[in-house]
Amino acid sequence: DQQVKQNSPSLSVQEGRISILNCDYTNSMFDYFLWYKKYPAEGPTFLISISSIKDKNEDGRFTVFLNKSAKHLSLHIVPSQPGDSAVYFCAASANTGNQFYFGTGTSLTVIP
Amino acid sequence: EAGVVQSPRYKIIEKKQPVAFWCNPISGHNTLYWYLQNLGQGPELLIRYENEEAVDDSQLPKDRFSAERLKGVDSTLKIQPAELGDSAVYLCASSVSGTGDAYEQYFGPGTRLTVT
Repeated sequence: DQQVKQNSPSLSVQEGRISILNCDYTNSMFDYFLWYKKYPAEGPTFLISISSIKDKNEDGRFTVFLNKSAKHLSLHIVPSQPGDSAVYFCAASANTGNQFYFGTGTSLTVIP
Repeated sequence: EAGVVQSPRYKIIEKKQPVAFWCNPISGHNTLYWYLQNLGQGPELLIRYENEEAVDDSQLPKDRFSAERLKGVDSTLKIQPAELGDSAVYLCASSVSGTGDAYEQYFGPGTRLTVT
């Protein structure tokens, strides 16, 4: 039972354009969300987070939007750079501890 | 600051053999996680430690998997005997609990296990 879903396995974007990665969840108790970035042969690296009391969090070129009513979050990267090419995972927690549920990932390719 | 260290990075064993993975978390991180990541999937939690106590091991297949974190620092995950379906990447992560950074987990590079 996949509680966090990333329905797009891959995404290609031209350098300089916006990348939008989407994530949906089913558990209404989730109240904290993170995005991780993963390069091949490395572990995931924390990118940005958002709690359910906010609907937007921004860090440089990265912005995460949360729509609680739709149980949907998205990560916007603008402008996209070739170094952003990686697999992006979203993860969610219900604040019952530090257990996070991860999506299956979206592989982003930024074309120079 | 050193990151999460895992060894070995790669391991190839025959089925029915035992295997062990080692993890050294970031200094000062009292929460340690072991995750399993299958190809094309996200990480799935196997076990979580708060210091030396396993506070969530509900997803750990206890018939063949075991883990320990004896002194609340480094940890070992063992599989005995290994099965073909255990081929995956085993990730270790750590975090600081009880602070504003409690939710940020730092991952090691993982151990890629191949069972033949």
